[in-house]
Amino acid sequence: GQNIDQPTEMTATEGAIVQINCTYQTSGFNGLFWYQQHAGEAPTFLSYNVLDGLEEKGRFSSFLSRSKGYSYLLLKELQMKDSASYLCAVRDSNYQLIWGAGTKLIIKP
Amino acid sequence: IAGITQAPTSQILAAGRRMTLRCTQDMRHNAMYWYRQDLGLGLRLIHYSNTAGTTGKGEVPDGYSVSRANTDDFPLTLASAVPSQTSVYFCASSDADTDTQYFGPGTRLTVL
Repeated sequence: GQNIDQPTEMTATEGAIVQINCTYQTSGFNGLFWYQQHAGEAPTFLSYNVLDGLEEKGRFSSFLSRSKGYSYLLLKELQMKDSASYLCAVRDSNYQLIWGAGTKLIIKP
Repeated sequence: IAGITQAPTSQILAAGRRMTLRCTQDMRHNAMYWYRQDLGLGLRLIHYSNTAGTTGKGEVPDGYSVSRANTDDFPLTLASAVPSQTSVYFCASSDADTDTQYFGPGTRLTVL
């Protein structure tokens, strides 16, 4: 079966750095997405990786290793507004997105 | 309209009733999707449409139907609602170039 694993919850301190991991086993791979979802709101797109390596976008970076079935989202200089759930999703061989359950990130002052 | 809209925002429904959730996008995206999101689970695809006039079944299609008469609208119908369909429903559409999905604000549905 297809599976996306992420930690359920993480806690970090304002101003610090946090890394949210995602491992996947899917039937084929056609890209990995990270989305941010604030409580009670819709998911919003953060990043997309299809090749191995690091994609940097401001305070957020996303890394992919296809051989290891592994990605991480790195958030730097954490702000209180970064408190949200972070969803990892993989596009499989049928070009359908398979979603992880999300990681709830709690930022403390 | 800017982006994707969904209606209603929330609804409480008696079991056995018929309900249609509406979704409209103005981005001229060809592909549209319906997901449900339940606590502790990832988003699960109910139905999708790659282009107007075509639809397909996702991971959890039972009890739901969709239609795609034009590019902008993608309604989801529950023919006879059951309590297990209590969930938050998100509609999304995707950009053809990057296939990035953009989500509507969601409909919170409670079936009693």
